[in-house]
Amino acid sequence: GQNIDQPTEMTATEGAIVQINCTYQTSGFNGLFWYQQHAGEAPTFLSYNVLDGLEEKGRFSSFLSRSKGYSYLLLKELQMKDSASYLCAVRVSPPSRMDSNYQLIWGAGTKLIIKP
Amino acid sequence: DAGVTQSPTHLIKTRGQQVTLRCSPKSGHDTVSWYQQALGQGPQFIFQYYEEEERQRGNFPDRFSGHQFPNYSSELNVNALLLGDSALYLCASSFTGGGDTGELFFGEGSRLTVL
Repeated sequence: GQNIDQPTEMTATEGAIVQINCTYQTSGFNGLFWYQQHAGEAPTFLSYNVLDGLEEKGRFSSFLSRSKGYSYLLLKELQMKDSASYLCAVRVSPPSRMDSNYQLIWGAGTKLIIKP
Repeated sequence: DAGVTQSPTHLIKTRGQQVTLRCSPKSGHDTVSWYQQALGQGPQFIFQYYEEEERQRGNFPDRFSGHQFPNYSSELNVNALLLGDSALYLCASSFTGGGDTGELFFGEGSRLTVL
């Protein structure tokens, strides 16, 4: 089966650094996404990794190790507005070669609480 | 450039009723995916439409059906509503084409409450 695991909740202090881990067991891996979702709002795109290594984008970085089925999202210089849920999603190959559309398998999300 | 728009934003139904939710994708996008998100959970994939056909489907019963129109907009229909269908229904659009990461752009969602 397809499975994605993330911690349910994490707490960090404003100005600090936090790392949110994601492990996955899926078939036909075709990239991993991180999305941010504030309460009551739609998810918004943060990052995409398809090759091993670190992708840096401002205060946010995302790392991928395909051999380990592992990714993390690193948030630096935390701000109160970073309090949100962070969703890890893996894009998997379609069930048939006739189908060009991929599917995303989502984790349950990690609720990040930032304290002053 | 309009993003993904969904309607209605909130609605209340009773058990056994039927509901139709609507979605207009981001300009330039041709693929629409529907997700159900229960409180405190990640999105659960319902199905995906491309070229007016259902291309992939998640683990949802036949009570959940959909449609995509020539202008790429889409509808999600749920029949015989159950209390457990209460959730945020998210529509996400993307472009199915070579070289694109397939990043999803989400609408604000339709929050359905079944009483």
